[in-house]
Amino acid sequence: GAVVSQHPSWVICKSGTSVKIECRSLDFQATTMFWYRQFPKQSLMLMATSNEGSKATYEQGVEKDKFLINHASLTLSTLTVTSAHPEDSSFYICSAPKSRSRPDTQYFGPGTRLTVL
Amino acid sequence: AQTVTQSQPEMSVQEAETVTLSCTYDTSENNYYLFWYKQPPSRQMILVIRQEAYKQQNATENRFSVNFQKAAKSFSLKISDSQLGDTAMYFCALFQGGSEKLVFGKGTKLTVNP
Repeated sequence: GAVVSQHPSWVICKSGTSVKIECRSLDFQATTMFWYRQFPKQSLMLMATSNEGSKATYEQGVEKDKFLINHASLTLSTLTVTSAHPEDSSFYICSAPKSRSRPDTQYFGPGTRLTVL
Repeated sequence: AQTVTQSQPEMSVQEAETVTLSCTYDTSENNYYLFWYKQPPSRQMILVIRQEAYKQQNATENRFSVNFQKAAKSFSLKISDSQLGDTAMYFCALFQGGSEKLVFGKGTKLTVNP
């Protein structure tokens, strides 16, 4: 079946540095991908919708200049956390719809754990 | 606005027994879908079951079934013959056709005891 991968699975960085997280659809194309953030023992919160070839759509309260999203191809979306701070430490998950005809059913990546020191 | 409420933060069940997880939701749309996702300790999100709102018949997937009460906006998950591998966080989620976004409830931590 379709698979979504994320890289890296775990990253530690110093405060003030930038970190890039990749989300790839492995055997299908995704014009849209979604980025979620999950704090410990909490639910998934949608951060933004990544659109291939155009600007991402950010949810209310998410700083677009801090969380840069690029969706340069039909199989790759990247999330860059710029000038990361300890409060950005979280679990970041991406997802992609099964198909255009089934946008409701999402395939989820395994997630990336970000720790900012 | 769409909201999903899971009122049971934690639940436990004995192996081989049956457990029901509750979920209520709110939406103004007629075109929507409901889901239960499982998140084991690995944190990989796994789709458990999907329900199309326009279908009255309750969805079933092997040991997992739902009780979909559209008028009451209720969508509970029943797990029969619980297994140790069912231990996980379970999230109820709503997808609206208009916004094409998934909204998750806060989750229920289920522990299956041997």
